[in-house]
Amino acid sequence: AQSVSQHNHHVILSEAASLELGCNYSYGGTVNLFWYVQYPGQHLQLLLKYFSGDPLVKGIKGFEAEFIKSKFSFNLRKPSVQWSDTAEYFCAVKDSGNTPLVFGKGTRLSVIA
Amino acid sequence: GAVVSQHPSWVICKSGTSVKIECRSLDFQATTMFWYRQFPKKSLMLMATSNEGSKATYEQGVEKDKFLINHASLTLSTLTVTSAHPEDSSFYICSARAHGDTGANVLTFGAGSRLTVL
Repeated sequence: AQSVSQHNHHVILSEAASLELGCNYSYGGTVNLFWYVQYPGQHLQLLLKYFSGDPLVKGIKGFEAEFIKSKFSFNLRKPSVQWSDTAEYFCAVKDSGNTPLVFGKGTRLSVIA
Repeated sequence: GAVVSQHPSWVICKSGTSVKIECRSLDFQATTMFWYRQFPKKSLMLMATSNEGSKATYEQGVEKDKFLINHASLTLSTLTVTSAHPEDSSFYICSARAHGDTGANVLTFGAGSRLTVL
């Protein structure tokens, strides 16, 4: 079965600091990769996704993620975080076919002024 | 864009009672809906896959008699927590996949329903 690992449970950064959240998955076949964000009191929203093509994916709000197949990784990055980026971030993986997403445990990001 | 609505957003009930949570796709038809449970400091755990017009497929360890899922139409799936107990208190989230959109598509999530069982 697939599994998704997010190594950081809670990350605390100052505004303008750079962010990188790790995500590794276990499935060896073709995968679709997602990052979702859950702002306080809100529902899950898609940040970005990778299906194929350029492994560097640009998402909303200045986020990007890089798919490195050899490392089974899909790390999320942002060069300069803002206070409004405070949220919980979930990495999710899906194999090809009519299968559900498998989520990581999430990483809570707290951005302090 | 696609919108999924969940109701109620928060429910408190007494132990032993049953609670129904609705998940509706508002502007698209959803042949498949997924029910997740979110534990504090843990991942979203898939409970079951709900397919319109057929029985739900439950994940290992999820009691199908306790968590009843009905997907009677292309826009509505319901999760009923029967004989709820305090350990069932959690955040339940549904997501939907648009009709005819299989494989590498994006799910749309509801806002979640927080269940507190006293």
